[in-house]
Amino acid sequence: DAGVIQSPRHEVTEMGQEVTLRCKPISGHDYLFWYRQTMMRGLELLIYFNNNVPIDDSGMPEDRFSAKMPNASFSTLKIQPSEPRDSAVYFCASSLGSGAPTDTQYFGPGTRLTVL
Amino acid sequence: QQQVKQSPQSLIVQKGGISIINCAYENTAFDYFPWYQQFPGKGPALLIAIRPDVSEKKEGRFTISFNKSAKQFSLHIMDSQPGDSATYFCAASIENSGGYQKVTFGTGTKLQVIP
Repeated sequence: DAGVIQSPRHEVTEMGQEVTLRCKPISGHDYLFWYRQTMMRGLELLIYFNNNVPIDDSGMPEDRFSAKMPNASFSTLKIQPSEPRDSAVYFCASSLGSGAPTDTQYFGPGTRLTVL
Repeated sequence: QQQVKQSPQSLIVQKGGISIINCAYENTAFDYFPWYQQFPGKGPALLIAIRPDVSEKKEGRFTISFNKSAKQFSLHIMDSQPGDSATYFCAASIENSGGYQKVTFGTGTKLQVIP
């Protein structure tokens, strides 16, 4: 298996532009997570899905952020409009299982977003 | 409280030495404590994990020590090698009422092992 796939790996955009990050989870995994990593705040969970349904989006910072999972093999995280403070590395992770705490999350390589 | 506090923020260790990273939590409902290792340009990857019913777990050069009464746990890397240089995250997990997994991460420790 290729693991979790994210695209693009790097994104540079200007303030006010729309940004779309993409994720392909590991085949068969029921859970998909979006995280944001910054030096100041570390790794923060933004939202997670179970069987394509958003379960908890309490970590989404504001309405400018939205996430979708139209099918089991694809998810997007969209920021519209983007702001310089959104600059961070965004990770997608997936896991297989029933929701037990022992289910391992497998992370993608991340998308480094820079908003100028 | 869902917070997990991690220290130190950075650590420099000589090759062959012992690296120690500490974490503390507040929520006694946490029932699974994984450690993740992240190399530059990569996503975090599970390294080792422990449940609160044991006080220590060892896998190769990596050992987790767990003190349930103090609500603290630590990662020890014995015979540290330059290839261990990475950022390490402790984490804690709780199975909420819906049965879904949610993981709270520490802020990370950047380890550098020098030859």
